[in-house]
Amino acid sequence: EAGVAQSPRYKIIEKRQSVAFWCNPISGHATLYWYQQILGQGPKLLIQFQNNGVVDDSQLPKDRFSAERLKGVDSTLKIQPAKLEDSAVYLCASSSSTGSEQFFGPGTRLTVL
Amino acid sequence: QKEVEQNSGPLSVPEGAIASLNCTYSDRGSQSFFWYRQYSGKSPELIMFIYSNGDKEDGRFTAQLNKASQYVSLLIRDSQPSDSATYLCAVTPNSGNTPLVFGKGTRLSVIA
Repeated sequence: EAGVAQSPRYKIIEKRQSVAFWCNPISGHATLYWYQQILGQGPKLLIQFQNNGVVDDSQLPKDRFSAERLKGVDSTLKIQPAKLEDSAVYLCASSSSTGSEQFFGPGTRLTVL
Repeated sequence: QKEVEQNSGPLSVPEGAIASLNCTYSDRGSQSFFWYRQYSGKSPELIMFIYSNGDKEDGRFTAQLNKASQYVSLLIRDSQPSDSATYLCAVTPNSGNTPLVFGKGTRLSVIA
C-alpha cells in the first residue's frame, strides 16, 4: 500500500512570495490533515478535511493560508504572502473512516528568507 | 487549551537498557493516545497507540496508560542505537477522526 505522497520536498522563497504544497493521501482514506511543524516543536494542526469538506480550520491563519480538497482525494495548501515565521515543515496526514490512526507523508520543508 | 507535556530530553540510555518516555495531558476527556517516532529530518512514524487503561505491548515497545493520572508512557526494552530519535506523544479527544494534539517530543539517545 502506497503511503501519503507530498511535493515538493523542499522549497525556498522570499518573504511576501506565494507557495503551494500538494498532498495525495493513502488510497481510500477519507480524512486528510495538514499540520505545521516548527523546529523543536510537535506538529500543530492547520486544517482537517473529511472527503472534500472542511471539518476543522480553527487554527488556520486564514488571512494568508488557504487549502482545498476539491475531489475528496488530493489536497493543496497555499500560503500567500509568506512571512519569515512560516518557515517550517508542512506535514500531510491521512486516516481511514474507521480508524483514528494517522499516517504522515514525508513533509515539505519551507524556508522563507 | 489542550496541552500535552513531555520532557524534551535528551534522554540518554546505554544500549540494551530500558528507555522510559513519559507524557502528561491536560484534557481529561482524551480517549486515544499515540506514540510517534521521528528521526531527524524525517516525518513522524506511528509506533504505538493505546485506548484503554493498562499496558499494551508490541515487540520491544510497551505503552502504558493511566487516565486517572492523565499519564501515558512508552517503554522501549533492549534499546538499540537505531532507536535514537525524537518520540512524540499525541492525544485526541475521541476515538474518531479528530486532529492530534502533540507534545514537543522527547529526544532519546541510545549509546552503544
